[in-house]
Amino acid sequence: GENVEQHPSTLSVQEGDSAVIKCTYSDSASNYFPWYKQELGKGPQLIIDIRSNVGEKKDQRIAVTLNKTAKHFSLHITETQPEDSAVYFCAASLYTDKLIFGTGTRLQVFP
Amino acid sequence: GAVVSQHPSRVICKSGTSVKIECRSLDFQATTMFWYRQFPKKSLMLMATSNEGSKATYEQGVEKDKFLINHASLTLSTLTVTSAHPEDSSFYICSARGGGINQPQHFGDGTRLSIL
Repeated sequence: GENVEQHPSTLSVQEGDSAVIKCTYSDSASNYFPWYKQELGKGPQLIIDIRSNVGEKKDQRIAVTLNKTAKHFSLHITETQPEDSAVYFCAASLYTDKLIFGTGTRLQVFP
Repeated sequence: GAVVSQHPSRVICKSGTSVKIECRSLDFQATTMFWYRQFPKKSLMLMATSNEGSKATYEQGVEKDKFLINHASLTLSTLTVTSAHPEDSSFYICSARGGGINQPQHFGDGTRLSIL
């Protein structure tokens, strides 16, 4: 079955800097890769997703890149703000069924 | 859009009690709902998938008689933890998906279950 690894587990950046979180997946059949932001005591919130027929997708300060050959995808957050502080999860699945989540990255943005 | 409401947000009860958690899609019809479990500072683990009007499909290792799932309508799914014990204490989160297999999953805010 699918296995998703996520790095780093914690990331601290200064406000205004960029943050990058990386994930690798094992099942080449996976074709859907969402990123979720989870704040303390809340459920995950979808922030961006990418499908296997696309190499890059951007939404304002957030971008995701996908390398199907290497089976890895990354989340890029530019101009970070304190409100970006949260736990970020990547996931992989075949279509949008059975999401397999990474282990999470705790992002702290210091003012 | 795509709001998923989960209730209750927190429940504390005695060992042996059965607890029901509701998951509602407020502004869309959820043909499929998913139930996850999350331990402190850990990732989300899929417990089961339910389609409206059908029996839920449970992941390996999840006891279907312990975790009863009902998806009776396109906007409501329930998870009942039967005869709960302290080891069932966890954060339970549902997600809902409208339309087909290309629609994203939207999550509720979870239910923190504590069994004394």
